[in-house]
Amino acid sequence: DTEVTQTPKHLVMGMTNKKSLKCEQHMGHRAMYWYKQKAKKPPELMFVYSYEKLSINESVPSRFSPECPNSSLLNLHLHALQPEDSALYLCASSQGTGTVTYEQYFGPGTRLTVT
Amino acid sequence: EDQVTQSPEALRLQEGESSSLNCSYTVSGLRGLFWYRQDPGKGPEFLFTLYSAGEEKEKERLKATLTKKESFLHITAPKPEDSATYLCAVQAGSNSGYALNFGKGTSLLVTP
Repeated sequence: DTEVTQTPKHLVMGMTNKKSLKCEQHMGHRAMYWYKQKAKKPPELMFVYSYEKLSINESVPSRFSPECPNSSLLNLHLHALQPEDSALYLCASSQGTGTVTYEQYFGPGTRLTVT
Repeated sequence: EDQVTQSPEALRLQEGESSSLNCSYTVSGLRGLFWYRQDPGKGPEFLFTLYSAGEEKEKERLKATLTKKESFLHITAPKPEDSATYLCAVQAGSNSGYALNFGKGTSLLVTP
């Protein structure tokens, strides 16, 4: 089974709201990722967690705050977003990171609209 | 700087009309090249990983090949359900080691 689940599927929030996106995988993967994808563009990496530690933050604004409570869960906390943050937010996981090359498996995404 | 370029940007095929999508790359130390399929509003679906020049992989009507400069995704006798955006991504030794560098994708439409 190569399933990554994400909730909610859709989210509409105002610029002063606080919300969270959730991601879960039960494949025993030790690396999890957040990507942002705008319409008709490829996914852009935001954060990487490896063995539950944040290992990459691609200069993402502080209004996005990731959290990895355990090896199966990944959250993205959102606060004071801007309309330009509206996008499809994708979670992915892989067996690991580092010297071995692993494919990443993506979830269905959360469609976020900031009003 | 690592670069991944996919062509064409869009492709329209008749059902049964075979064709190929191209992904050319310029990276330092390729560790893997990945093909994904993405349907509108959904997450990318993993198709293939290729590691070294000369490698080929097949899945149903799809066949991926790799040379030192490019990869091809061959689609044989496509069906309308093959319509999607196909994304190519590379993982290279020059970056973090596990970040995927995506091309812009090829949007494929297969008509009956």
